[in-house]
Amino acid sequence: GAVVSQHPSWVICKSGTSVKIECRSLDFQATTMFWYRQFPKQSLMLMATSNEGSKATYEQGVEKDKFLINHASLTLSTLTVTSAHPEDSSFYICSARDPGTLVNVPYEQYFGPGTRLTVT
Amino acid sequence: GDSVTQMEGPVTLSEEAFLTINCTYTATGYPSLFWYVQYPGEGLQLLLKATKADDKGSNKGFEATYRKETTSFHLEKGSVQVSDSAVYFCALSDRGYGGATNKLIFGTGTLLAVQP
Repeated sequence: GAVVSQHPSWVICKSGTSVKIECRSLDFQATTMFWYRQFPKQSLMLMATSNEGSKATYEQGVEKDKFLINHASLTLSTLTVTSAHPEDSSFYICSARDPGTLVNVPYEQYFGPGTRLTVT
Repeated sequence: GDSVTQMEGPVTLSEEAFLTINCTYTATGYPSLFWYVQYPGEGLQLLLKATKADDKGSNKGFEATYRKETTSFHLEKGSVQVSDSAVYFCALSDRGYGGATNKLIFGTGTLLAVQP
């Protein structure tokens, strides 16, 4: 099946610094990628939808100036957490949508393994 | 808005026991329904899906039937194994244009622990 990778798998940074997380689709081109945040023992919450070559669409309550998303190519989307604070510590997960070949088949989303961010 | 409600865990079962994880949804349209599984230390994997009422999704011995009348998509397996221990997420998605799935809305996840 389709493979999505994330880098790094975990990162520790100091409060006030910025951190970039990469999401790559390894064997397919993804016109759309999604960024989720998962808190301990809670579900995934969609943060934003990233479309290649255009601005990301953010969910209500997500600060677009704090969580910068760039989808510069069909295989790479990046999430940059700017001026990170301890409350930004979380598990960030991306998914990539495989366009597929059949119009009437719902597009699959493939998930990366996640990135654990800890802000000290 | 659309939402998914699934039973809280953890669910602890002995090997070969019958599994049911309840999931109900609220949606204005005709969503596609999914079960995802997250094994320890790994990303989410699609377990099964159903795209219209009365469809049954199945994979690896797991089954779920899209019940429009009860707005449910309960996950079942006749005989669980230790290797099934994981967190299971129920999710829905709008069909979107051309059948494409749009954003996924997840339930809170249910931890399943299977003991030998």
